Order: sequence, then C-alpha cells, then structure tokens
Amino acid sequence: TQLLEQSPQFLSIQEGENLTVYCNSSSVFSSLQWYRQEPGEGPVLLVTVVTGGEVKKLKRLTFQFGDARKDSSLHITAAQPGDTGLYLCAGGNQFYFGTGTSLTVIP
Amino acid sequence: DTGVSQDPRHKITKRGQNVTFRCDPISEHNRLYWYRQTLGQGPEFLTYFQNEAQLEKSRLLSDRFSAERPKGSFSTLEIQRTEQGDSAMYLCASSLVWTSGSSAYEQYFGPGTRLTVT
Repeated sequence: TQLLEQSPQFLSIQEGENLTVYCNSSSVFSSLQWYRQEPGEGPVLLVTVVTGGEVKKLKRLTFQFGDARKDSSLHITAAQPGDTGLYLCAGGNQFYFGTGTSLTVIP
Repeated sequence: DTGVSQDPRHKITKRGQNVTFRCDPISEHNRLYWYRQTLGQGPEFLTYFQNEAQLEKSRLLSDRFSAERPKGSFSTLEIQRTEQGDSAMYLCASSLVWTSGSSAYEQYFGPGTRLTVT
C-alpha cells in the first residue's frame, strides 16, 4: 500500500495569509494529483505533476513535485474564503489518496 | 458533457437492508472507480473497472459489497445486509486512460451518495 501523509491535518487562517500544505510518502510516484473537495461534493482535480522538481501554478496556487517524486507541496498566496475546503493529494495509479488537509480561511 | 452523476444523493436505510447505488460516468471514459469516504478523511479505494472488466478490488470490499458495470457504461454498487459501519459517502469517478500507458490519469468525480445506516 502506498501511504500518503498530508500535513497539517487542519489549518485555519485569516484571509490574505499565505500557507503551504504537504504530501509525503516513502514511495516514488510516476505522477501526483491534487484535488479540492467542498462539503457534500466530490473532489475536483486541480493539477497533475509528472516530472521530478516540476512546479505548476494555478492563479494563487503553486504546486511542486519533489525531485525524487516522493513528495509534493501546495502553496496558496493571499488565501481567500473561497479557498476553504479539503485538499487531497493522490499518487501513483490514483487508487490511493492522502489523509487530507482541511483548510478554513476566515474573512 | 454532463459530468459524472450518481443516484441517489442521499440514502437512509435500516441495518440489515440492502442498498444499491448507481453511477453514470462521463460517456467517453473507459475507467470507472468506486471509493468510500468518511468525514474529514481522504477517499478509500474500493474497486475499479476498465470498460466492463472489474480489474481490482480492495480488501475493504467485503463479500457484502458487489459492483457491476455490465455494458461498460454505468455502474452499480450494492451493499447487502448493511451495517452501521457502512455509513459513509460513496464516491464514483471516471477517467479516460490512453492506450499509450500514460500514468497521468485524471479522475472526474461525481457528487457522491451519502449513506446513513440506522
């Protein structure tokens, strides 16, 4: 089983602050995906990273894949209340999701 | 493209009853996945199909759980003799896997079916 650990598990910040969430594993992944999920809905794909060291930007969100393809980070600049949700990473054949980071952005 | 749909959105049942959920994937997608998710946790893989073939099942999928995708389009997930521990959100996702073997699969999820067993 490929175990993906995310940290922190919970994060509550003020609007306008920056934050980083992490996804770590002891396994190497051929690709890694990040999703965001709102309460009562299914996860929505944000990005896929494939190459070690790859950095992708999606507006205020920056995703990085570790050089060894075992870990990834998601950095949000100037968080907004609309960023609130459960952030999930998924690796390998995507059968395995991380434990999730629940983000709350307070207006 | 109407996205992945699931029916029903909510199901309340009594312990011991059988329930069946339906998932309609994005029409051109050849893979379909079922996951179970409890509050605040990431989805747990249950099973997946490529076209009509069920290729992998998790050990979480006990003999009370069965899934079908008879014509390679919609899928059903049945839980027999439900237990309170089955209460969860059941998510379906679909993807289009290229025959070239790209590992950069992108899954599209439905809204889920929330099951409550009383």
